[in-house]
Amino acid sequence: DQQVKQNSPSLSVQEGRISILNCDYTNSMFDYFLWYKKYPAEGPTFLISISSIKDKNEDGRFTVFLNKSAKHLSLHIVPSQPGDSAVYFCAASEISGTYKYIFGTGTRLKVLA
Amino acid sequence: NAGVMQNPRHLVRRRGQEARLRCSPMKGHSHVYWYRQLPEEGLKFMVYLQKENIIDESGMPKERFSAEFPKEGPSILRIQQVVRGDSAAYFCASSLSGTGNTEAFFGQGTRLTVV
Repeated sequence: DQQVKQNSPSLSVQEGRISILNCDYTNSMFDYFLWYKKYPAEGPTFLISISSIKDKNEDGRFTVFLNKSAKHLSLHIVPSQPGDSAVYFCAASEISGTYKYIFGTGTRLKVLA
Repeated sequence: NAGVMQNPRHLVRRRGQEARLRCSPMKGHSHVYWYRQLPEEGLKFMVYLQKENIIDESGMPKERFSAEFPKEGPSILRIQQVVRGDSAAYFCASSLSGTGNTEAFFGQGTRLTVV
């Protein structure tokens, strides 16, 4: 049972344009969401997070949007840069629960120069 | 401030041998998590430990796998009698707090290959 889903395995975007990565979840108990970026042969690197009391969180070129009613979140990267090419994982957890992230299967972003 | 350190980075074991994976959390972090990533899949939670305690091991296979985080020294993930299906990347993460609303920092992983 995949509680966190990233339905697009890959995405290609031109440099300078917006990248939009999507994530859906099924567990209504999730109330904290994160995005991680992962380069080959490295560990995931934290990018940005959002709690369920917010619908938007912004950090530089990265913005995460949360739609609780749709159980959907998205990561916007603008402008996209070639160095953003990586696999992006969405993760979710319950604030009141043990610290256990449930990860999606990832979306491979390729930013074309 | 060093990040999460995992060693070895690469580990090759023959079927039936034991694999020991080590993880030193970030300085000041007392919460450690192990995840496994199979090829072309996401990261799957295995176990959550605090110093000397296993808090949540719901993702650990029932047999051959064990984890510890002693009072002194790194956390160890131990796989006995490895099989080919154990080949994966194993990631350790640590956090300052055990509540669900703080980010965890990951190590670079140990890539286990069972031949």
